[in-house]
Amino acid sequence: SAVISQKPSRDICQRGTSLTIQCQVDSQVTMMFWYRQQPGQSLTLIATANQGSEATYESGFVIDKFPISRPNLTFSTLTVSNMSPEDSSIYLCSVKAGGSDTQYFGPGTRLTVL
Amino acid sequence: QKEVEQNSGPLSVPEGAIASLNCTYSDRGSQSFFWYRQYSGKSPELIMFIYSNGDKEDGRFTAQLNKASQYVSLLIRDSQPSDSATYLCAVTDDSGYALNFGKGTSLLVTP
Repeated sequence: SAVISQKPSRDICQRGTSLTIQCQVDSQVTMMFWYRQQPGQSLTLIATANQGSEATYESGFVIDKFPISRPNLTFSTLTVSNMSPEDSSIYLCSVKAGGSDTQYFGPGTRLTVL
Repeated sequence: QKEVEQNSGPLSVPEGAIASLNCTYSDRGSQSFFWYRQYSGKSPELIMFIYSNGDKEDGRFTAQLNKASQYVSLLIRDSQPSDSATYLCAVTDDSGYALNFGKGTSLLVTP
């Protein structure tokens, strides 16, 4: 499986500010995804990060709030914009490599918004 | 809305026993099924995946899939205290790659 790192691992931010989370993979992968896990909840897919084109967002998530970049096959960023306390969550990137359906998760970024 | 349902637990089993975790899903078009383990404060870790009806065994873990009944289960044999975690069932959606997760079942293995 791929080795996935995320930066930062955690942050505490003020409402109204923005935070960019980075996801780096040690090998080229076909697909990268961003998930959110709110306190005590399961994972919810935010979007699929597409290399060289706009991300594909799930219902309830919009580009203005969660802009995503994927400049190459090993790196992606998720920005949480104009944050409110409701954005306090763990944000996880995952990758799917090759022809397998299997997804592997990064260590996550724990975000607290005050 | 595609649903993946799990009993939240906690499911408590004594050390050495078999833990049985169940999951049902609503989308008949789902093709791939996964079990992830998540320790508190950590990210999900893949344990098993299954694509075809029947059983799939890997060490102490057995995944069972019944597409007609739309359920998938995970059996953990010889449960250990280190197996205490939340187990997440995930199912691919009709895109074939994005995952829908259940809310997870909390497992507690008592010494």
